[in-house]
Amino acid sequence: DAMVIQNPRYQVTQFGKPVTLSCSQTLNHNVMYWYQQKSSQAPKLLFHYYDKDFNNEADTPDNFQSRRPNTSFCFLDIRSPGLGDAAMYLCATSPRGTIQETQYFGPGTRLLVL
Amino acid sequence: RKEVEQDPGPFNVPEGATVAFNCTYSNSASQSFFWYRQDCRKEPKLLMSVYSSGNEDGRFTAQLNRASQYISLLIRDSKLSDSATYLCVVNSGSNYKLTFGKGTLLTVNP
Repeated sequence: DAMVIQNPRYQVTQFGKPVTLSCSQTLNHNVMYWYQQKSSQAPKLLFHYYDKDFNNEADTPDNFQSRRPNTSFCFLDIRSPGLGDAAMYLCATSPRGTIQETQYFGPGTRLLVL
Repeated sequence: RKEVEQDPGPFNVPEGATVAFNCTYSNSASQSFFWYRQDCRKEPKLLMSVYSSGNEDGRFTAQLNRASQYISLLIRDSKLSDSATYLCVVNSGSNYKLTFGKGTLLTVNP
């Protein structure tokens, strides 16, 4: 089945140790998004790619970077994770990013920072 | 004022009850509106889009009032499986970006 896949589902890292989360999609969607969701809070958009064009949200910390080597894959790199970065990280896609479109979410990666 | 605000909840209702959630949004240029459902420790999943004329999908009815910048979701004949967090989601007025409310937690009790 076409879907959005995230690996790993759970990730434990140490304070300050770089970590990479991955997302892949078989939907052939142009737009891929990364969200951060902390407990009892709304998902917060970090950045998105429209095809190869990267769009960073103004309040996304520099500690967060992203790569999209091809249509199917997108990575979230956290260069120096802090305790406050522990959260669920959600990848989502949409076909063309038009106003009427909804987004399709992967199952998320829950990050724990020790 | 937050971009998307929802009833704080939580809502605890018995099976078979009717429950309504409300949501307001601040950006008058918003053009698309959705309700998502999120189960505990899972990803958000689209429940339904919300159209100007109002729309119904089985036990679920969504309404949009553009003049008041208000969205609602009505669930009739609640089931245990309806227990989840319901997220109000609004297109911010530009392409790509959806803005999520914090969600309202619903627990349906036997």
